[in-house]
Amino acid sequence: QLQLQESGSGLVKPSQTLSLTCAVSGGSISSGGYSWSWIRQPPGKGLEWIGYIYHSGSTYYNPSLKSRVTISVDRSKNQFSLKLSSVTAADTAVYYCAREGGSKEGGFDYWGQGTLVTVSS
Amino acid sequence: DIQMTQSPSSLSASVGDRVTITCQASQDISNYLNWYQQKPGKAPKLLIYDASNLETGVPSRFSGSGSGTDFTFTISSLQPEDIATYYCQQYDNLPRVNFGGGTKVEIK
Repeated sequence: QLQLQESGSGLVKPSQTLSLTCAVSGGSISSGGYSWSWIRQPPGKGLEWIGYIYHSGSTYYNPSLKSRVTISVDRSKNQFSLKLSSVTAADTAVYYCAREGGSKEGGFDYWGQGTLVTVSS
Repeated sequence: DIQMTQSPSSLSASVGDRVTITCQASQDISNYLNWYQQKPGKAPKLLIYDASNLETGVPSRFSGSGSGTDFTFTISSLQPEDIATYYCQQYDNLPRVNFGGGTKVEIK
């Protein structure tokens, strides 16, 4: 059974960089046909897709966040990471990692449990 | 940008009631639509993919229909464990995706 687990700093100061990692177990992050995403949810609000990294290593980001986002992969550790720079209070959210693709193209079929990141001084 | 408009934003229904949620896309997205269930404090769970296909293990009281711009998600007989927020999500212009605003379902 595939499992995803987010980790990283739960408190980030304004203007600094948020860094999170998603460890994947029970399957390979290098499997063809899948992409690996970050999605966030501000407290009490809806879901916002942040970006993908494909099994090939190519990335695509939400245009509204593109200038501040970097998603990377470490195949040796079977994990992928998110960096979001110049954070403000508006970036306070639960951050989820998720898998997309395979037979359910466009669908996120496995999710991490989520990690709350608070931006505050 | 493709905008996804869900309605209602919240609803209250009795156990056993039929519950219907709609999702409207700002342009034709064919059947490139998924539905998720999110219980409080939990990650979303994929219930329906490609507008009408039930994910493995999901109870048959959940269903989805529609194509083009108008989509419907139905719970045929509401159960207490169905209390959650439901989201639609379009993927017509992959890799870019976006979600509807959500519908919170409560028990009356």
